Amino acid sequence: DIQMTQSPSSLSASVGDTVTITCRASQGISSYLAWYQQKPGKVPKLLISAASTLQSGVPSRFSGSGSGTDFTLTISSLQPEDVATYYCQKYNSAPWTFGQGTKVEIK
Amino acid sequence: EVQLVESGGGLVQPGGSLRLSCAASGFTVSNNYMSWVRQAPGKGLEWVSVIYSGGSTYYADSVKGRFTISRDNSKNTLYLRMNSLRAEDTAVYYCARDYNGEHGFWGQGTLVTVSS
Repeated sequence: DIQMTQSPSSLSASVGDTVTITCRASQGISSYLAWYQQKPGKVPKLLISAASTLQSGVPSRFSGSGSGTDFTLTISSLQPEDVATYYCQKYNSAPWTFGQGTKVEIK
Repeated sequence: EVQLVESGGGLVQPGGSLRLSCAASGFTVSNNYMSWVRQAPGKGLEWVSVIYSGGSTYYADSVKGRFTISRDNSKNTLYLRMNSLRAEDTAVYYCARDYNGEHGFWGQGTLVTVSS
């Protein structure tokens, strides 16, 4: 099975900073990669599909890139409401594995 | 309005069984991929199972042979039958409507606790 590895596992940044989270697949998955945001105590929310397609209503400071095995989620100007855990997930074929998550905090 | 409402969670002893339900409204379950995803307390997300619109089903290795995903088209409801439950199955279980594989819409979740 394909493994998904996220880095870092946690980060702390200041409001306005650019934050980058990396997700690596153990084998190529083309662009079948989604990013989710889970705020504390809340249900996960789909942010990005197909590696770079921003979902409706998601702020434009979020962006995704990559294909094959290496993917990136970027928050261009971190806001207090972005405090959350972010997960990548591959969905090219079952099993649809999640990364272990990246917890983002405000410094 | 699209809604997913899970039910059926609760406390069950190790080795026991439980059936989770996910009642959908605002769309047709049988026309979509539908998934179950779980989250153990304080842990990350774990994909559990999917049923395709054509009826094919797939499972995570951790639940294969113990869990069964199904749907009732007349009730527009998704199910997860869980047998031989273990302590490590303790989690909040979410159902999700999938778009092209990604989980586009999630229910609020139902908590399953496996403990004696």
